[in-house]
Amino acid sequence: GENVEQHPSTLSVQEGDSAVIKCTYSDSASNYFPWYKQELGKRPQLIIDIRSNVGEKKDQRIAVTLNKTAKHFSLHITETQPEDSAVYFCAAIQGAQKLVFGQGTRLTINP
Amino acid sequence: GAVVSQHPSWVICKSGTSVKIECRSLDFQATTMFWYRQFPKQSLMLMATSNEGSKATYEQGVEKDKFLINHASLTLSTLTVTSAHPEDSSFYICSAPAVSRYEQYFGPGTRLTVT
Repeated sequence: GENVEQHPSTLSVQEGDSAVIKCTYSDSASNYFPWYKQELGKRPQLIIDIRSNVGEKKDQRIAVTLNKTAKHFSLHITETQPEDSAVYFCAAIQGAQKLVFGQGTRLTINP
Repeated sequence: GAVVSQHPSWVICKSGTSVKIECRSLDFQATTMFWYRQFPKQSLMLMATSNEGSKATYEQGVEKDKFLINHASLTLSTLTVTSAHPEDSSFYICSAPAVSRYEQYFGPGTRLTVT
């Protein structure tokens, strides 16, 4: 089955700087890669996603890149703000719609 | 956007008792729903796939006799934790896939504490 590895597990950046979180997946059949932000005790919130036929997608300060050949995808957050502090999860999905999550990254934005 | 609800939002039960958690799709039909478990400071782990009108599909290592899943209608799936033990204490989250897209809609989660 699919296996998703996520790094780093914790990340601390100064407000205004950029943050990058990386994930790799094992199953080349995976075709959808969402990123979620989760605050303590809350449900995961979709922040951006990318399909396997696209190499990059951007939404304001957030961007995701996908390298199908290398089977890795990354989340980029620019101009970070204190409210970006949360746990972020990458995930991969196949046709059966089963989401496999990465281990998560705790992002802390220092003012 | 589509809404998925869960009930209860939190529950405390005694060891050995059973607890039922409901997951509802409020404004769309879901023939499939997913149940996840999340321990503190860990990721979401898929427990099982709930299929309307048929048996649930459990992930490897998940005891089907302990975590009973029923998907009796197109808008409701239930997870019953039987003979709960303290190690079952966790955050349980359900999700339902969007009808025509890959996106999944998550419920708000249920915090289970077994004493």
